[in-house]
Amino acid sequence: NAGVTQTPKFQVLKTGQSMTLQCAQDMNHEYMSWYRQDPGMGLRLIHYSVGAGITDQGEVPNGYNVSRSTTEDFPLRLLSAAPSQTSVYFCASSPRRAEANYGYTFGSGTRLTVV
Amino acid sequence: EDQVTQSPEALRLQEGESSSLNCSYTVSGLRGLFWYRQDPGKGPEFLFTLYSAGEEKEKERLKATLTKKESFLHITAPKPEDSATYLCAVTYNFNKFYFGSGTKLNVKP
Repeated sequence: NAGVTQTPKFQVLKTGQSMTLQCAQDMNHEYMSWYRQDPGMGLRLIHYSVGAGITDQGEVPNGYNVSRSTTEDFPLRLLSAAPSQTSVYFCASSPRRAEANYGYTFGSGTRLTVV
Repeated sequence: EDQVTQSPEALRLQEGESSSLNCSYTVSGLRGLFWYRQDPGKGPEFLFTLYSAGEEKEKERLKATLTKKESFLHITAPKPEDSATYLCAVTYNFNKFYFGSGTKLNVKP
């Protein structure tokens, strides 16, 4: 099993450009989420999904869109990139409820720089 | 307002020197507290989930405990391969999770 796969691993964007960060999991996990990690601030939840067709906002959703058309995929779209969106982005998945000793499975991250 | 605070920010230990990392949370209604390990350039790796005060979990040299206001990650006789950043996270509804900024552990041989 591949687990959680994120692409690309690195990306440089110009201010105002749009792009989609891809996330796919092959574990049949219902719950998927996107986090950004900035130095000294920990991981902050951007958007999450509890199943196909269902998404909701996290702590820092502004400037990002998501959709969940299948159980496997959960892409994150940056509508108009800003320097403040320079960060490392992690996708994570888990079985529907993160209990019974299940935590998240994280992808390896996408390092995004907006110039 | 910070929901999760981890201390210390960084910790340097000699191999074999036991210590503890702290994770405190500020609001009530905790449903679960999670510990993760993160190596440089990689995504966090799940270690433990704790659900109620008094609960303890162990894995090799790591032991996690939970009280009503904080959790401790005890590291017994650490080895250099235990060097990593340790993150804790809390949830109140299993939909939204709040992470601390982590403790960077460096174990010298």
